[in-house]
Amino acid sequence: DIQMTQAPSSLPASLGDRVTITCRASQDIGNYLRWFQQKPGKSPRLMIYGATNLAAGVPSRFSGSRSGSDYSLTISSLESEDMADYYCLQSKESPLTFGSGTKLEIK
Amino acid sequence: EVQLVESGGGLVQPGRSLKLSCAASGFTFSNYGMAWVRQTPTKGLEWVASISTGGGNTYYRDSVKGRFTISRDNAKNTQYLQMDSLRSEDTATYYCARHGGDYWGQGVMVTVSS
Repeated sequence: DIQMTQAPSSLPASLGDRVTITCRASQDIGNYLRWFQQKPGKSPRLMIYGATNLAAGVPSRFSGSRSGSDYSLTISSLESEDMADYYCLQSKESPLTFGSGTKLEIK
Repeated sequence: EVQLVESGGGLVQPGRSLKLSCAASGFTFSNYGMAWVRQTPTKGLEWVASISTGGGNTYYRDSVKGRFTISRDNAKNTQYLQMDSLRSEDTATYYCARHGGDYWGQGVMVTVSS
């Protein structure tokens, strides 16, 4: 199975900060990488697909990038509504696998 | 508006069965692969199973193979997850999702306990 190693597990940050969350794939997944945001009591929301493509309705302060087997989600200027859990997902092959999640919280 | 509505969750004893349903609306159901994803506080999000548009291809995580069966009825715009031989480690919130995760249901709780 493809392992997705996500870091950090917790990220204290201030409003207006630029923050980056990273996932590393244990084998080649190309651009089959998605990012999800999940707020307490809510279902996950697709933020990024194809490693770099913004999903519909997602603010432009979110972006995705890839460097080799490392994938990043960046928020350019943190807003209060961005406080949530974030997960990566590889959809290259079954079983699809999620990262362990990052809790983004106010410092 | 796309909607996915799960039902069928609840409390069940170990070894027993439960069947989840997911009613879809707002899109052409038969054009999309579908999936079930579960979540626990300790294990996070876990993909459980996927099914192709026509239902001919199904995929499962190893821990549920032989116990869970994903299926769909395109005439009813509904997908299902038949869960047999349930174990305590299957306790989770189960989400129905369109393949790729662009739409999710609200989730349904499954608790396996004696």
